[in-house]
Amino acid sequence: GESVGLHLPTLSVQEGDNSIINCAYSNSASDYFIWYKQESGKGPQFIIDIRSNMDKRQGQRVTVLLNKTVKHLSLQIAATQPGDSAVYFCAENNYGQNFVFGPGTRLSVLP
Amino acid sequence: ETGVTQSPTHLIKTRGQQVTLRCSSQSGHNTVSWYQQALGQGPQFIFQYYREEENGRGNFPPRFSGLQFPNYSSELNVNALELDDSALYLCASSAGGGNEQYFGPGTRLTVT
Repeated sequence: GESVGLHLPTLSVQEGDNSIINCAYSNSASDYFIWYKQESGKGPQFIIDIRSNMDKRQGQRVTVLLNKTVKHLSLQIAATQPGDSAVYFCAENNYGQNFVFGPGTRLSVLP
Repeated sequence: ETGVTQSPTHLIKTRGQQVTLRCSSQSGHNTVSWYQQALGQGPQFIFQYYREEENGRGNFPPRFSGLQFPNYSSELNVNALELDDSALYLCASSAGGGNEQYFGPGTRLTVT
């Protein structure tokens, strides 16, 4: 069945460095993707999204890259800050059907 | 603009009991999706409601049911609770399926 997975379950980065969180998806028909940040005890927080007709989208300190050829999604966080520490999920959607989430990557920012 | 809200925040139930969780969608959103998130895992889709009708369902048994009201708020009902139903239940709203989806803070359900 369709699935969304992450290459790295945990990621530790130094404060100020850039972070890259990766995600592989298996459903080539997925046309919309969202990255979420989830802090302990809270619901997932929308970070950035991208549709399949794009390969890059930038927000404030974040960039999402989509490579449909290899079904790969990444989230880049520039100048990582302590407040970025959280679990990050990618989620895929297939033409308005339900979102499928991966297991998440825990990002730890080291002082 | 009001975000997605959920109630209650925490709930403890006994195996075999029934529970109702509530969600108010973000202003302007007509679609509500419910997810179950077990500890250490990603959210798993339960079902989605669009304009008061179920619009997609995940791999959950019929004892998980829901409603959506004319104001687009929603309820998740779980009958015959099992220990494995212990999880964080998340509600997300959007302006139609396949669009930006925003989550509420969740309801932590513990079944003993």
